[in-house]
Amino acid sequence: QVQLVQSGAEVKKPGSSVKVSCKASGGTFSSYAIKWVRQAPGQGLEWMGGLIPIFNTGNYAQKFQGRITVTADESTSTVYMELSSLRPEDTAVYYCARAGGRVGVVILDHWGQGTLVTVSS
Amino acid sequence: QSVLTQPPSVSAAPGQRVTISCSGSSSNVGNNFVSWYQQLPGSAPKLLIYDNNMRPSGIPVRFSGSKSGTSATLGITGLQTGDEADYYCGTWDSSLSVYVFGTGTKVTVL
Repeated sequence: QVQLVQSGAEVKKPGSSVKVSCKASGGTFSSYAIKWVRQAPGQGLEWMGGLIPIFNTGNYAQKFQGRITVTADESTSTVYMELSSLRPEDTAVYYCARAGGRVGVVILDHWGQGTLVTVSS
Repeated sequence: QSVLTQPPSVSAAPGQRVTISCSGSSSNVGNNFVSWYQQLPGSAPKLLIYDNNMRPSGIPVRFSGSKSGTSATLGITGLQTGDEADYYCGTWDSSLSVYVFGTGTKVTVL
Protein backbone atom coordinates (compact mmCIF):
# COMPACT_ATOMS: atom_id res chain seq x y z
CA GLN A 1 0.00 0.00 0.00
CA VAL A 2 1.60 3.25 -1.17
CA GLN A 3 1.65 6.00 1.45
CA LEU A 4 2.93 9.56 1.26
CA VAL A 5 3.45 11.29 4.60
CA GLN A 6 4.21 15.01 4.66
CA SER A 7 5.87 17.23 7.24
CA GLY A 8 3.88 19.45 9.58
CA ALA A 9 2.42 22.93 9.25
CA GLU A 10 4.72 25.93 8.89
CA VAL A 11 4.40 29.64 9.57
CA LYS A 12 6.81 31.82 7.62
CA LYS A 13 7.62 35.51 7.20
CA PRO A 14 7.35 37.18 3.79
CA GLY A 15 10.62 36.89 1.89
CA SER A 16 11.71 33.69 3.63
CA SER A 17 11.74 30.10 2.35
CA VAL A 18 9.92 26.93 3.32
CA LYS A 19 10.92 23.31 2.78
CA VAL A 20 8.21 20.66 2.88
CA SER A 21 9.00 16.95 2.93
CA CYS A 22 7.09 13.99 1.52
CA LYS A 23 8.14 10.51 2.67
CA ALA A 24 7.03 7.59 0.53
CA SER A 25 6.50 4.00 1.58
CA GLY A 26 4.99 0.85 0.15
CA GLY A 27 6.07 1.30 -3.46
CA THR A 28 9.07 1.57 -5.79
CA PHE A 29 10.24 5.02 -4.83
CA SER A 30 12.79 5.85 -7.50
CA SER A 31 10.84 5.13 -10.65
CA TYR A 32 7.68 7.16 -10.07
CA ALA A 33 7.44 10.93 -10.36
CA ILE A 34 6.44 12.90 -7.28
CA LYS A 35 4.54 16.08 -8.05
CA TRP A 36 3.52 19.05 -5.93
CA VAL A 37 0.08 20.66 -6.02
CA ARG A 38 -1.10 23.51 -3.85
CA GLN A 39 -4.51 24.79 -2.78
CA ALA A 40 -5.02 28.31 -1.43
CA PRO A 41 -7.78 28.72 1.18
CA GLY A 42 -11.18 28.18 -0.45
CA GLN A 43 -9.60 27.84 -3.89
CA GLY A 44 -8.91 25.10 -6.43
CA LEU A 45 -5.89 22.94 -7.15
CA GLU A 46 -2.74 24.38 -8.72
CA TRP A 47 0.10 22.37 -10.31
CA MET A 48 3.61 23.32 -9.26
CA GLY A 49 5.83 20.59 -10.74
CA GLY A 50 8.03 17.81 -9.42
CA LEU A 51 10.60 15.20 -10.33
CA ILE A 52 11.37 11.53 -10.86
CA PRO A 53 13.71 10.56 -8.02
CA ILE A 54 15.90 8.31 -10.17
CA PHE A 55 16.70 11.28 -12.42
CA ASN A 56 16.59 13.93 -9.66
CA THR A 57 15.89 16.70 -12.15
CA GLY A 58 13.00 18.99 -11.39
CA ASN A 59 10.37 20.07 -13.88
CA TYR A 60 8.36 23.10 -12.79
CA ALA A 61 5.41 25.17 -13.87
CA GLN A 62 6.45 28.46 -15.43
CA LYS A 63 4.74 30.39 -12.64
CA PHE A 64 7.12 29.01 -10.04
CA GLN A 65 10.36 28.92 -12.06
CA GLY A 66 13.19 30.49 -10.10
CA ARG A 67 11.41 30.10 -6.75
CA ILE A 68 10.85 26.35 -6.47
CA THR A 69 13.33 23.52 -6.02
CA VAL A 70 12.29 19.88 -5.70
CA THR A 71 14.89 17.32 -4.61
CA ALA A 72 14.90 13.68 -3.61
CA ASP A 73 16.81 11.60 -1.07
CA GLU A 74 16.62 8.00 -2.26
CA SER A 75 18.19 6.70 0.95
CA THR A 76 15.12 7.81 2.93
CA SER A 77 12.52 7.68 0.10
CA THR A 78 11.79 11.35 0.73
CA VAL A 79 11.10 14.18 -1.69
CA TYR A 80 11.51 17.81 -0.65
CA MET A 81 9.87 20.92 -2.08
CA GLU A 82 11.47 24.25 -1.26
CA LEU A 83 9.71 27.50 -2.15
CA SER A 84 11.62 30.76 -1.71
CA SER A 85 10.79 34.48 -1.64
CA LEU A 86 7.52 33.70 0.05
CA ARG A 87 4.64 36.16 -0.16
CA PRO A 88 1.27 36.16 1.61
CA GLU A 89 -0.43 34.77 -1.51
CA ASP A 90 1.68 31.61 -1.13
CA THR A 91 -0.43 30.74 1.91
CA ALA A 92 -1.90 27.38 0.96
CA VAL A 93 -2.04 23.68 1.65
CA TYR A 94 0.76 21.98 -0.26
CA TYR A 95 0.23 18.39 -1.40
CA CYS A 96 2.67 15.88 -2.80
CA ALA A 97 1.25 13.26 -5.14
CA ARG A 98 2.66 10.24 -6.91
CA ALA A 99 2.30 10.39 -10.67
CA GLY A 100 1.58 6.82 -11.62
CA GLY A 101 0.43 5.65 -15.03
CA ARG A 102 2.78 5.47 -17.99
CA VAL A 103 5.07 7.61 -20.14
CA GLY A 104 3.27 10.69 -21.39
CA VAL A 105 0.26 10.27 -19.11
CA VAL A 106 0.00 11.90 -15.70
CA ILE A 107 -2.21 10.11 -13.18
CA LEU A 108 -1.99 11.41 -9.61
CA ASP A 109 -2.84 8.11 -7.96
CA HIS A 110 -1.64 8.64 -4.38
CA TRP A 111 -1.61 11.86 -2.37
CA GLY A 112 0.01 13.06 0.82
CA GLN A 113 -2.16 14.44 3.61
CA GLY A 114 -1.16 18.04 2.86
CA THR A 115 0.98 20.64 4.64
CA LEU A 116 -0.43 24.05 5.53
CA VAL A 117 2.06 26.86 4.90
CA THR A 118 1.04 30.24 6.26
CA VAL A 119 2.95 33.32 5.14
CA SER A 120 2.37 36.28 7.42
CA SER A 121 4.31 39.11 8.96
CA GLN B 1 -7.29 30.96 -13.60
CA SER B 2 -7.97 27.40 -14.77
CA VAL B 3 -8.25 26.51 -18.43
CA LEU B 4 -10.76 23.74 -17.64
CA THR B 5 -14.28 24.90 -16.84
CA GLN B 6 -16.63 23.06 -14.49
CA PRO B 7 -19.99 24.10 -13.04
CA PRO B 8 -19.52 25.57 -9.54
CA SER B 9 -22.10 23.28 -7.99
CA VAL B 10 -24.56 20.48 -8.64
CA SER B 11 -27.08 18.93 -6.30
CA ALA B 12 -29.58 16.09 -6.15
CA ALA B 13 -31.48 13.97 -3.67
CA PRO B 14 -30.09 10.72 -2.27
CA GLY B 15 -30.27 7.90 -4.80
CA GLN B 16 -30.42 10.26 -7.78
CA ARG B 17 -27.81 10.84 -10.49
CA VAL B 18 -25.60 13.85 -11.13
CA THR B 19 -23.22 14.69 -13.91
CA ILE B 20 -20.31 17.12 -13.85
CA SER B 21 -18.89 18.56 -17.04
CA CYS B 22 -15.30 19.58 -17.72
CA SER B 23 -14.81 21.79 -20.74
CA GLY B 24 -11.39 22.39 -22.24
CA SER B 25 -9.66 22.66 -25.60
CA SER B 26 -7.67 20.64 -28.11
CA SER B 27 -4.46 21.29 -26.20
CA ASN B 28 -5.73 19.58 -23.07
CA VAL B 29 -8.97 17.54 -22.87
CA GLY B 30 -9.17 17.07 -26.64
CA ASN B 31 -5.86 15.25 -26.97
CA ASN B 32 -4.95 13.95 -23.53
CA PHE B 33 -6.40 11.53 -21.01
CA VAL B 34 -8.61 13.01 -18.30
CA SER B 35 -8.65 12.12 -14.61
CA TRP B 36 -11.17 13.02 -11.95
CA TYR B 37 -10.40 13.65 -8.27
CA GLN B 38 -12.71 13.71 -5.27
CA GLN B 39 -11.86 15.98 -2.35
CA LEU B 40 -13.90 15.35 0.79
CA PRO B 41 -14.12 18.28 3.25
CA GLY B 42 -10.81 18.79 5.03
CA SER B 43 -9.08 15.96 3.14
CA ALA B 44 -6.57 15.52 0.36
CA PRO B 45 -7.81 14.83 -3.16
CA LYS B 46 -8.32 11.20 -4.16
CA LEU B 47 -8.14 9.68 -7.63
CA LEU B 48 -11.61 8.68 -8.80
CA ILE B 49 -11.29 8.15 -12.56
CA TYR B 50 -8.26 7.97 -14.85
CA ASP B 51 -7.76 7.51 -18.60
CA ASN B 52 -11.16 9.17 -19.18
CA ASN B 53 -13.26 6.26 -17.91
CA MET B 54 -11.19 3.85 -15.80
CA ARG B 55 -11.80 3.33 -12.09
CA PRO B 56 -8.92 2.54 -9.72
CA SER B 57 -9.31 -0.47 -7.49
CA GLY B 58 -11.80 0.25 -4.72
CA ILE B 59 -13.78 2.96 -6.50
CA PRO B 60 -17.47 1.96 -6.74
CA VAL B 61 -19.09 1.45 -10.14
CA ARG B 62 -21.46 4.30 -9.22
CA PHE B 63 -18.70 6.61 -10.47
CA SER B 64 -18.15 6.77 -14.23
CA GLY B 65 -16.28 8.94 -16.69
CA SER B 66 -16.56 9.74 -20.36
CA LYS B 67 -15.04 12.07 -22.90
CA SER B 68 -16.18 13.50 -26.20
CA GLY B 69 -14.11 16.00 -28.13
CA THR B 70 -12.93 18.75 -25.80
CA SER B 71 -15.32 17.90 -22.95
CA ALA B 72 -15.28 15.26 -20.28
CA THR B 73 -18.03 14.20 -17.91
CA LEU B 74 -18.12 12.57 -14.48
CA GLY B 75 -21.29 10.74 -13.54
CA ILE B 76 -22.36 9.67 -10.07
CA THR B 77 -25.38 7.39 -9.71
CA GLY B 78 -27.14 6.30 -6.53
CA LEU B 79 -26.01 9.51 -4.81
CA GLN B 80 -25.09 9.12 -1.13
CA THR B 81 -24.48 11.68 1.62
CA GLY B 82 -20.87 10.51 1.69
CA ASP B 83 -20.46 11.76 -1.90
CA GLU B 84 -20.70 15.38 -0.74
CA ALA B 85 -17.35 16.73 -1.82
CA ASP B 86 -15.52 18.89 -4.34
CA TYR B 87 -14.72 17.21 -7.64
CA TYR B 88 -11.93 18.24 -10.00
CA CYS B 89 -11.05 17.14 -13.50
CA GLY B 90 -7.39 17.16 -14.51
CA THR B 91 -5.28 16.58 -17.60
CA TRP B 92 -2.02 17.56 -19.24
CA ASP B 93 -2.01 20.72 -21.36
CA SER B 94 0.35 20.22 -24.29
CA SER B 95 0.58 23.95 -25.10
CA LEU B 96 1.24 25.15 -21.57
CA SER B 97 3.38 22.10 -20.66
CA VAL B 98 1.65 21.91 -17.32
CA TYR B 99 -0.97 19.71 -15.69
CA VAL B 100 -4.21 21.64 -15.43
CA PHE B 101 -7.12 21.17 -13.08
CA GLY B 102 -10.72 22.15 -13.55
CA THR B 103 -12.31 24.94 -11.55
CA GLY B 104 -13.94 22.39 -9.26
CA THR B 105 -17.56 21.40 -8.62
CA LYS B 106 -19.21 21.10 -5.24
CA VAL B 107 -21.68 18.23 -5.02
CA THR B 108 -24.49 18.65 -2.50
CA VAL B 109 -26.85 15.87 -1.52
CA LEU B 110 -30.22 17.42 -0.73
